[in-house]
Amino acid sequence: GQQLNQSPQSMFIQEGEDVSMNCTSSSIFNTWLWYKQDPGEGPVLLIALYKAGELTSNGRLTAQFGITRKDSFLNISASIPSDVGIYFCAGQRNNNDMRFGAGTRLTVKP
Amino acid sequence: KAGVTQTPRYLIKTRGQQVTLSCSPISGHRSVSWYQQTPGQGLQFLFEYFSETQRNKGNFPGRFSGRQFSNSRSEMNVSTLELGDSALYLCASRPGQPNEKLFFGSGTQLSVL
Repeated sequence: GQQLNQSPQSMFIQEGEDVSMNCTSSSIFNTWLWYKQDPGEGPVLLIALYKAGELTSNGRLTAQFGITRKDSFLNISASIPSDVGIYFCAGQRNNNDMRFGAGTRLTVKP
Repeated sequence: KAGVTQTPRYLIKTRGQQVTLSCSPISGHRSVSWYQQTPGQGLQFLFEYFSETQRNKGNFPGRFSGRQFSNSRSEMNVSTLELGDSALYLCASRPGQPNEKLFFGSGTQLSVL
């Protein structure tokens, strides 16, 4: 079930703007993953983070593994219309237990 | 490498019926997990299978069951369908060790009428 607090729930931005979203937890996680889901499709993995403090980029996307291991951030720079979708964070502990955030719904206005 | 494949893509059933969904993981992946996704509840974990054994289980009633075959393919069964079972059912696979990336299929959209 969901034990990650993901915010914001939704965002309406103008094309070209930067976007930030985050996930927090009361528990420590060993891996943080960020996914994007288009309507009617399964989530697609964007970025995986494995170490506290790690900062990883994938094109215009940058994600960070929080130093406390209880949070993670995803930034999208210079948003474009195809960035529209729902973004999910997922945290995983060593016991294969994976938790998901409720998602951030992103709308980009041209 | 082919991704996670789920069949069927769409399914319409009536209350009381049962349904079986199928998932073929990425080649070499031994762990298969199932999730239910609804607009109100988000992603809810159903169960995970590894080497034909159920390794983890979420908080779903016994009407939801699954199994995994020796080739790592997995099936999920829901018996005595209820209206509230309408959802996108997602299958995900990974090699099988902790802290690995989880890859999702496109899902099966189940509608119960």
